[in-house]
Amino acid sequence: QQQVKQSPQSLIVQKGGISIINCAYENTAFDYFPWYQQFPGKGPALLIAIRPDVSEKKEGRFTISFNKSAKQFSLHIMDSQPGDSATYFCAANDSGTYKYIFGTGTRLKVLA
Amino acid sequence: GAGVSQSPRYKVAKRGQDVALRCDPISGHVSLFWYQQALGQGPEFLTYFQNEAQLDKSGLPSDRFFAERPEGSVSTLKIQRTQQEDSAVYLCASSLGGGRATNEQFFGPGTRLTVL
Repeated sequence: QQQVKQSPQSLIVQKGGISIINCAYENTAFDYFPWYQQFPGKGPALLIAIRPDVSEKKEGRFTISFNKSAKQFSLHIMDSQPGDSATYFCAANDSGTYKYIFGTGTRLKVLA
Repeated sequence: GAGVSQSPRYKVAKRGQDVALRCDPISGHVSLFWYQQALGQGPEFLTYFQNEAQLDKSGLPSDRFFAERPEGSVSTLKIQRTQQEDSAVYLCASSLGGGRATNEQFFGPGTRLTVL
């Protein structure tokens, strides 16, 4: 019940295309959903986060879509660029605690 | 420094050796977290400090793992009698407040531990 399932494991997108990464969870106590971006040799960096009281949040080219009833959320990267090539992790947390439960990651490659 | 720093960046240990991994959080950050990231996996929670108090160590995989933060700033993760399954990247993160999810966790670059 603590798991966060992430797909796909890897993704190749042409420059300018849309990258979509999906996550699903079971624990209905989760109420905070961040996405992290990780480059090789670096620690994860917060990209964007959402709470379930909204269905969508957009920051620049990055959008989170949230479906509370389906217990699913996704990251959309519009106009994907080669510099977006990285591993992306979704995570979930219930605000009564402090532990993040991370997905297994999606390795994104954007072709020039 | 501007961010979370960790040292060493890479550590190779022979099976059975003890290792100590250091984390320097962002100055003034109350909360400090340790995560273990296996190859190709997401980070997994190990332990959490609020100032010098270790409030949760439920993620530590065995009693060979020990963490401390004696003065509420720098933290050390110690692994005794290392085993091959301990090979992973160990990430440290800090956040400004007292551990609430709304406080962004800032991650360090990690220490890659390889146990031969």
